Amino acid sequence: DVVVTQSPLSLPVILGQPASISCRSSVSLVYTDGNNYLNWFQQRPGQSPRRLIYRVSKRDSGVPDRFSGSGSGTEFTLRISRVEAEDVAFYYCLQATHWPFTFGPGTRVHI
Amino acid sequence: VQLLQSGPEVKKPGASVKISCKTSGFTFTNYAIHWVRQAPGQGLEWLGWINAGNGDTKYSQRFQDRVTITTDTSARSAYMELRSLTSEDTAVFYCARGGDLDYWGQGSLVTVSS
Repeated sequence: DVVVTQSPLSLPVILGQPASISCRSSVSLVYTDGNNYLNWFQQRPGQSPRRLIYRVSKRDSGVPDRFSGSGSGTEFTLRISRVEAEDVAFYYCLQATHWPFTFGPGTRVHI
Repeated sequence: VQLLQSGPEVKKPGASVKISCKTSGFTFTNYAIHWVRQAPGQGLEWLGWINAGNGDTKYSQRFQDRVTITTDTSARSAYMELRSLTSEDTAVFYCARGGDLDYWGQGSLVTVSS
């Protein structure tokens, strides 16, 4: 199985300041069609996961533009340009290029 | 788009559980449905996937011997059955739509306890 790692696993943030989370894959996530199938999800306490970003950098409808994704191959990054209080949550990356799909371990973003 | 899952279950070790995921707001057979598990205080774990159009399935090797995912297209619903439950299967199970898991159900809590 593809191993997906995230760093850091715990990220203390300051409101109004930027933050970033790294996601690394044990193999390239470039599919035969040239796309990287790497998604980012946010999970607030007591809620279902919510997709923020798909295919590395495409932001879902309703997701604030302070969230952005980048990367290719084996290294990917989720950035928050200015952290707001509502961004306190767990963040997971998911590789959907290779079967079986695999999630990263999650990063806890906290004040 | 909505995915509405069945309610909480309490099962004894060795039993089976079958969770449903009833969908609305989209053409069911045009999408896949994934199942994801989250143990208490833990991360997300992908269990498997079904193509609602043709019934093709793929499972995580870790669960392949114990899990079966099915659909009922007339009911616009997907189902996940997990057998030979142990206390380690106590978790919230989620269904999610599509290849990119864009919409998720509210989760179904399964508690395994003697």
